[in-house]
Amino acid sequence: GENVEQHPSTLSVQEGDSAVIKCTYSDSASNYFPWYKQELGKRPQLIIDIRSNVGEKKDQRIAVTLNKTAKHFSLHITETQPEDSAVYFCAASYNFGNEKLTFGTGTRLTIIP
Amino acid sequence: SAVISQKPSRDICQRGTSLTIQCQVDSQVTMMFWYRQQPGQSLTLIATANQGSEATYESGFVIDKFPISRPNLTFSTLTVSNMSPEDSSIYLCSVLPYSAPGQGADEQFFGPGTRLTVL
Repeated sequence: GENVEQHPSTLSVQEGDSAVIKCTYSDSASNYFPWYKQELGKRPQLIIDIRSNVGEKKDQRIAVTLNKTAKHFSLHITETQPEDSAVYFCAASYNFGNEKLTFGTGTRLTIIP
Repeated sequence: SAVISQKPSRDICQRGTSLTIQCQVDSQVTMMFWYRQQPGQSLTLIATANQGSEATYESGFVIDKFPISRPNLTFSTLTVSNMSPEDSSIYLCSVLPYSAPGQGADEQFFGPGTRLTVL
């Protein structure tokens, strides 16, 4: 089955700086890669996703890049703000038939004011 | 989008007992899933709840321990049976709304979770 690795496990950045979280996946058939943000005591919420036919996707301060050959994808947050502090999870799934998500281990991001 | 509710939101149970968690969605969805999130950990898929048939369990999870029902397209239950302290976790349901024919499924929405503590 699919295996997703995520690094780093914790990340602290100064407010206004950029943060990058990286994930690798094992199953070349995976073609859908969402990123979830989970604040303390809350449910995971999708912040951005990318499909395997796209190399990069951006939504305001958040961007995701995908390298299918290397089987890795990354989350980039620019101009970080205190409200970006949370745990971020990457995930992978094979869409069009098996939509179950395999999650990475999570990254606790702390924004230092 | 989908609005998902779970009951109970939290519970404290004695070992050896069972707890049934309910997941209700405000609209019909194609797929429903149950995840477990142990304290400080990631999300692990327990099973896919299939409407009208037996759930599909992931490796390490069995029906006798986690029986699941899905009687219709908006409701599912997960039972945690014969509980032990190791079952203390947050249990989350998630749903996949219907998408257009030929389109890949989009965002998977999560319920608020049920925080279970087993003494």
